Amino acid sequence: EAGVVQSPRYKIIEKKQPVAFWCNPISGHNTLYWYRQNLGQGPELLIRYENEEAVDDSQLPKDRFSAERLKGVDSTLKIQPAELGDSAVYLCASTRDQETQYFGPGTRLLVL
Amino acid sequence: QKEVEQDPGPLSVPEGAIVSLNCTYSNSAFQYFMWYRQYSRKGPELLMYTYSSGNKEDGRFTAQVDKSSKYISLFIRDSQPSDSATYLCAMSATSGSRLTFGEGTQLTVNP
Repeated sequence: EAGVVQSPRYKIIEKKQPVAFWCNPISGHNTLYWYRQNLGQGPELLIRYENEEAVDDSQLPKDRFSAERLKGVDSTLKIQPAELGDSAVYLCASTRDQETQYFGPGTRLLVL
Repeated sequence: QKEVEQDPGPLSVPEGAIVSLNCTYSNSAFQYFMWYRQYSRKGPELLMYTYSSGNKEDGRFTAQVDKSSKYISLFIRDSQPSDSATYLCAMSATSGSRLTFGEGTQLTVNP
């Protein structure tokens, strides 16, 4: 089966610009996660969706970050406006029925 | 203090060596323990998944969990150059909930 798909793979923007990342989870996986991984660190959860409901967004910086998961399948994570400190890899993961999480390749963001 | 501590390395070993990777944690609520492998510019790939204390073996990989000591380990036998990657420990309190990761150990296996 196909894995988690993310796009774009790389994005370079100037600070204060908006940016969006897209994730298509593994077919049939009802839970979707967005993690952020800073250089030399482990991933940290930003938001978790159960179907289309955000059930854990306590670590999402809501002043500039937003996410949506329409129809409980694909998801989009947006940053507006981006700051220098947002440079990181944004990882999407999915799981079916609370089982193990499978990660996509990530979107590598560089904010100049 | 971080909830999960992991020595970042780097760790360099010759081909065929036994590798030991470790993590300690402070949150006694953690019940599910995982090891992920991450190659450069790739997403983490699940290697081992363990519930509660005990050992689990899969080919050349063995995962151990000691909840009384809040200590988990991953052993790699007969290490290969293809094992060169960053190894991340991860854990969660309930199945499917947020994973808390260590910072990863960078491993290089030299031919």
